[in-house]
Amino acid sequence: NAGVTQTPKFRVLKTGQSMTLLCAQDMNHEYMYWYRQDPGMGLRLIHYSVGEGTTAKGEVPDGYNVSRLKKQNFLLGLESAAPSQTSVYFCASRLAGGHQETQYFGPGTRLLVL
Amino acid sequence: ILNVEQSPQSLHVQEGDSTNFTCSFPSSNFYALHWYRWETAKSPEALFVMTLNGDEKKKGRISATLNTKEGYSYLYIKGSQPEDSATYLCAQSGSARQLTFGSGTQLTVLP
Repeated sequence: NAGVTQTPKFRVLKTGQSMTLLCAQDMNHEYMYWYRQDPGMGLRLIHYSVGEGTTAKGEVPDGYNVSRLKKQNFLLGLESAAPSQTSVYFCASRLAGGHQETQYFGPGTRLLVL
Repeated sequence: ILNVEQSPQSLHVQEGDSTNFTCSFPSSNFYALHWYRWETAKSPEALFVMTLNGDEKKKGRISATLNTKEGYSYLYIKGSQPEDSATYLCAQSGSARQLTFGSGTQLTVLP
């Protein structure tokens, strides 16, 4: 049981390049989330999904797209990377159900955009 | 977007000291308040989830209280140890079960 995994762990991009970050979970969780973490700003929600085939915008969605084609995977795409997207990206998942359900986090992906 | 605030931003205490920090959040439309512990180079890990006004939760030397009427939660650590050094995050659950996080309190326990 690997929990929540993220690929890659670290990536350097040039401005304008595109990339996809993969989040995978093996806990049969319905809900999945993408956050970014910047110094002094805590975790900010980018996009989330409450089930296969559904996605929704979070607090800071601009410049990102997501897809949830399979229940266990949640992909975060950057179509044209900008230096402002330099950050650490965390994926999380949880069971469906009430507000008391815990989110489980992946190890993070560190992205540097030059 | 919920406005969740934590104070202080950082805290240094001596080993053996007890300490506490605050999470404040909008009291209207309250669903749940989560506390996470986040060690450097690791992922955030859940500590507590609280849903009811007056809730108190405890795990070892760490405890938390919740006041939903006035919109705050306290996290207490009794007899701090160096291994307690971490960033402590609180997060409020929104209507779609998404979490809005505070910016965290970074605790350093000096030996």
